[in-house]
Amino acid sequence: DAGVTQSPTHLIKTRGQQVTLRCSPKSGHDTVSWYQQALGQGPQFIFQYYEEEERQRGNFPDRFSGHQFPNYSSELNVNALLLGDSALYLCASSYRTGNYGYTFGSGTRLTVV
Amino acid sequence: DQQVKQNSPSLSVQEGRISILNCDYTNSMFDYFLWYKKYPAEGPTFLISISSIKDKNEDGRFTVFLNKSAKHLSLHIVPSQPGDSAVYFCAALGGSQGNLIFGKGTKLSVKP
Repeated sequence: DAGVTQSPTHLIKTRGQQVTLRCSPKSGHDTVSWYQQALGQGPQFIFQYYEEEERQRGNFPDRFSGHQFPNYSSELNVNALLLGDSALYLCASSYRTGNYGYTFGSGTRLTVV
Repeated sequence: DQQVKQNSPSLSVQEGRISILNCDYTNSMFDYFLWYKKYPAEGPTFLISISSIKDKNEDGRFTVFLNKSAKHLSLHIVPSQPGDSAVYFCAALGGSQGNLIFGKGTKLSVKP
């Protein structure tokens, strides 16, 4: 039973570029949340997708956008990359929103140079 | 403005002894708390949780205590083992749809 799968595992981008990160939820899960973990910090909530719609959003600018597909997988897009966007991006899946059974992926390490 | 605070960035404990990790929160509306454990190059894994209607929850070597009046919770690990060495995050469940609000984490090192 595969857990949460994220790709790629590592990525290096230049300032101003755009990036797309991908997440496949755990089997049986239908809700995907994205978190950003900067160095030395705890994960910070970016947004949550359920039924292909953004249901909740944290304090992140519009440069951060997402999408959920009919098969429940999700993408996180970041436009106009800044050096400060360098972080570990974590995807967490669950069954239904507000469910406490979150499973996290191993993350995508994004470095902006 | 951090709503969940873990004020000790690191903790070192001898194998077999008790590890106590602390967490404070500011929002009295939080009613569910979780502890996650994170190894390098892995995502956080759920360890134990507690609802605000309880003051203690136990699972094997792990016990979480909640003091609502002090807005404080702690995770006790007894006995500590070298495999427990990891970063431990305290999190509160916030928002109507259940997003997690994390502390900065405490790095636990258990020495053999």
